Formats: sequence, C-alpha cells, structure tokens
Amino acid sequence: DTAVSQTPKYLVTQMGNDKSIKCEQNLGHDTMYWYKQDSKKFLKIMFSYNNKELIINETVPNRFSPKSPDKAHLNLHINSLELGDSAVYFCASSQDLGYEQYFGPGTRLTVT
Amino acid sequence: DAKTTQPNSMESNEEEPVHLPCNHSTISGTDYIHWYRQLPSQGPEYVIHGLTSNVNNRMASLAIAEDRKSSTLILHRATLRDAAVYYCILRNAYSGAGSYQLTFGKGTKLSVIP
Repeated sequence: DTAVSQTPKYLVTQMGNDKSIKCEQNLGHDTMYWYKQDSKKFLKIMFSYNNKELIINETVPNRFSPKSPDKAHLNLHINSLELGDSAVYFCASSQDLGYEQYFGPGTRLTVT
Repeated sequence: DAKTTQPNSMESNEEEPVHLPCNHSTISGTDYIHWYRQLPSQGPEYVIHGLTSNVNNRMASLAIAEDRKSSTLILHRATLRDAAVYYCILRNAYSGAGSYQLTFGKGTKLSVIP
C-alpha cells in the first residue's frame, strides 16, 4: 500500500545519455512535485503539476522535462545527462496546492 | 521569501522530550509554519503545521510564540526512530502559485542517544 513510489531506486549512467524516472501516487492527489537533493543535502523544488498542468517551473535546465500521462503519474525525463545531475531525486504529491506533501523514497542518480 | 533559522544539530536522550527551536523574525501574517523531517536514506515526511495557535497531532506538538517570530517543535518522548533532520519551513498561502512550494533550508539534525 505504498503511497508514493518511484522507479528505479538507483540509476547509474554515463554522461550524454537520456534517462527517465517514474513516479506514481495512489493517494488520489491532484498535485505532484519533483525535488532534487544534491550532495550537500539541500532539497530544491524542480517542478510541480496540478491537474496535469505545470504550475511551478524553477530555473532548471530544459534538459529536464516532466511528463504526466495521468493524474497519478509524474515522470521525469532527463536528456544529455551531465555529471552535475548526480543527486537524489524525490517525487512528492499533495491533495491540492498548499496541502501537506507526501514524498517518495527517492531515486539516486549517478552520472559517470 | 521569509527565512528560518535553526540550530545545525541537537542531541536528546531516548524517551525524553525534545524541543526543536526555529526562528522566523521576518514572518508575515499569512505565512504558515510547516515542519517536515527526513530520516536517513528516506524522503521527507510531513510532521505538523500551524498559523497562530499551538497545534497537536499524533507525531508532535507545535508551539508558536505570541508574536509568531519563533516556534518550537516538541517531540514528547524521543525514540531512536525520531533521529532525523528536521526542517522548519514558512509557506505563504496568498502569494500566487509559487508560494505553494516548500523551500527547504539546512534543518536541524537530531541525534537520539539510547
């Protein structure tokens, strides 16, 4: 009965590759988010989706693109991976804007 | 954005109460005070939030100063499972869609001693 799940848990890839991280929530929430936690443990918002519309888009490179096939899923696509993209990526969801957020277990991305 | 200040780290003995302070001297009248925690190798977890009055839930209590320039997260009886980084976050509910984001600071790393 996992609330917010992410796959894969670990992802190791080479520079220049394109990869995707999947996120699913079974809470019936309307809003989903992607966060990046770097090696210094700072956690920063990247995107959020509300009712399949992008409502917050922080200053992330356009190599990163969120894709939401339906309300329960928000996948993160990353093109032309760079060393600096190595981090832990967390997906989260909330009932609506402003409500408490529920986080997934994270995906550790390592770019070599 | 209003900022928060928290101690980098704190220690507590198991089964004793823990008071985690947070200063937010530039808080506005419409800023909610949120607390999240992140256990090792896990995603952040919502703990509690409040606006003006003290709040209680099954996880913790939130005590908010009368002038709202500081708040304290209270864990009534620390367990080893409470060892985590605790984040105090201000969120303004009336500043547009961008205000709904959570801006995490460095937080307080709580260690619980058996």
